[in-house]
Amino acid sequence: TQLLEQSPQFLSIQEGENLTVYCNSSSVFSSLQWYRQEPGEGPVLLVTVVTGGEVKKLKRLTFQFGDARKDSSLHITAAQPGDTGLYLCAGATQRDSWGKLQFGAGTQVVVTP
Amino acid sequence: KAGVTQTPRYLIKTRGQQVTLSCSPISGHRSVSWYQQTPGQGLQFLFEYFSETQRNKGNFPGRFSGRQFSNSRSEMNVSTLELGDSALYLCASSSGWGEGQPQHFGDGTRLSIL
Repeated sequence: TQLLEQSPQFLSIQEGENLTVYCNSSSVFSSLQWYRQEPGEGPVLLVTVVTGGEVKKLKRLTFQFGDARKDSSLHITAAQPGDTGLYLCAGATQRDSWGKLQFGAGTQVVVTP
Repeated sequence: KAGVTQTPRYLIKTRGQQVTLSCSPISGHRSVSWYQQTPGQGLQFLFEYFSETQRNKGNFPGRFSGRQFSNSRSEMNVSTLELGDSALYLCASSSGWGEGQPQHFGDGTRLSIL
């Protein structure tokens, strides 16, 4: 059983559309990270959020950490084919030390031209 | 700055054999974590080493072990390989301290068990 539940599992959209990926848990996380992974490569860190209610924007990507530190969302505006990939949320629970991350199952995003 | 390097990239073994995977972290990073990635289970935490000591351990059988050397390089060993051990094994390095320390992943070792 995944400690972090991601939804949806798969998302296929046209270039220019917006999308949102959700990451939810019943546990409290001291920090949460979002990664993107492409075939044959390791996950690449997109952002880290550590404060409840925090919102971070990176160009067309907006990340939000829930007030209770149990959930997060990733919103992409005007998606491009280069945004295609497996999006993973990962968090460190308060009882775990910093080097241990719990991962969601991932959301496969496909953006077609 | 060189990234995390994992060797080998691909490995084919047969059941019952053992295997050793290697991970060289980013220079200056003292924490190395190992993960197993499979289509069915996703990314599962194996263990983490910090300054040559195992600091965290996941829920894997004792056939999975690791160690870290004084230069922070880490190795992972799997003994008595089973078909279910076929997976992508990823290592990640970080400074090891502080909330939300980003983990930097290598590109993994693809292990196939025949």
